[in-house]
Amino acid sequence: ETGVTQTPRHLVMGMTNKKSLKCEQHLGHNAMYWYKQSAKKPLELMFVYNFKEQTENNSVPSRFSPECPNSSHLFLHLHTLQPEDSALYLCASSQDSSLTGELFFGEGSRLTVL
Amino acid sequence: DQQVKQNSPSLSVQEGRISILNCDYTNSMFDYFLWYKKYPAEGPTFLISISSIKDKNEDGRFTVFLNKSAKHLSLHIVPSQPGDSAVYFCAAGSGYSTLTFGKGTMLLVSP
Repeated sequence: ETGVTQTPRHLVMGMTNKKSLKCEQHLGHNAMYWYKQSAKKPLELMFVYNFKEQTENNSVPSRFSPECPNSSHLFLHLHTLQPEDSALYLCASSQDSSLTGELFFGEGSRLTVL
Repeated sequence: DQQVKQNSPSLSVQEGRISILNCDYTNSMFDYFLWYKKYPAEGPTFLISISSIKDKNEDGRFTVFLNKSAKHLSLHIVPSQPGDSAVYFCAAGSGYSTLTFGKGTMLLVSP
């Protein structure tokens, strides 16, 4: 596989469930990101990891918990979400987190919270 | 407060004509600008970028223009093709921040 792969592509969960989104990149990049895309809103940056260290948390509620065990894998653990958290969650990677690094996005995980 | 604005949610253009997608920004610290293209059920893909030291960057049918004094950039696609139909996101940033994205403009190119 090449590029940035996200699983699952679609997820439906209740507000009391615990689930996780997974992202894997095969590009040898050192930075990974979680973005949220809601309808009619800009892409919102959630978390940035650079060389496995979290360098940015964009005021994300604690019901979203990221994990980056190595430079190739990024998880987003979900717990007691709200219906307004329903959105497309996009993972991205770049060579490093410097601005001039182009972002490579995965196809996204479409989350529906009932 | 949105720092990157794409005021047109959608644009329809005929095949062969020019498509012009616009983007405005408010943060004068932004010095690097990118356009991403997104097809349904796919993640955004990088299209073209420009740094603030330039006012134009061209790549094939795609040209990005930057007007720093107006804090405005535009993406020109000429000639437009049906395969260009997608959502186009403008993004901006600086050495002090990660990218800020606009809401996107949906381009529809009809045959």
